[in-house]
Amino acid sequence: QSALTQPASVSGSPGQSITISCTGTSSDVGSYNVVSWYQQYPGKAPKLMIYEVSKRPSGVSNRFSGSKSGNTASLTISGLQAEDEADYYCCSYAGSSSVVFGGGTKLTVL
Amino acid sequence: QVQLVQSGAEVKKPGASVKVSCKASGNTFTSYSMHWVRQAPGQGLEWMGIINPSGGSTSYAQKFQGRVTMTRDTSTSTVYMDLSSLRSEDTAVYYCARGHSSSWIFDYWGQGTLVTVSS
Repeated sequence: QSALTQPASVSGSPGQSITISCTGTSSDVGSYNVVSWYQQYPGKAPKLMIYEVSKRPSGVSNRFSGSKSGNTASLTISGLQAEDEADYYCCSYAGSSSVVFGGGTKLTVL
Repeated sequence: QVQLVQSGAEVKKPGASVKVSCKASGNTFTSYSMHWVRQAPGQGLEWMGIINPSGGSTSYAQKFQGRVTMTRDTSTSTVYMDLSSLRSEDTAVYYCARGHSSSWIFDYWGQGTLVTVSS
């Protein structure tokens, strides 16, 4: 499968909201509500932020939210904070017991 | 608390094999699937495959079919990822990650193991 498409970078000022898109196909994002988002700091393991499109694991700030429309999923971060500066990856179940990741988006807090 | 502890960094020559281990804490080892995900330097995440520790069944990404083998030892709560015929492009950090209840979501991650392939 081909990787899901994410913007290489996004930026925003503290307090603002940003949205990261994740575009797949009707074989992955469009067919399954098994989309998840991960936050990764340099040199660290990824951390689950959103699962099943819009659910938040315990302990994740409610400033993080997820949604999906058709073949595109989105991660929105509201009230941007300096600590949100990291790489973000989307991931989708792709059928036939496989998953596919997005290429990653570097978030810069200005 | 769930912890996944991986084996240490490896340096291998092209054509060799590497085996990375991932030991899970807690007593729920057979209740959750385990995945392997790798990340080449400066690159994104790449899913390699899944193993069901309960029965040992596996499913591998097409890209790694024939080169990767995932196994488990229930007596030590450890899963293993064996990658053969290594080439320089396999230089990456390899992560194990536990599958959430729905299996295809990764809720806990190991610390990562750097595998360097160099002549």
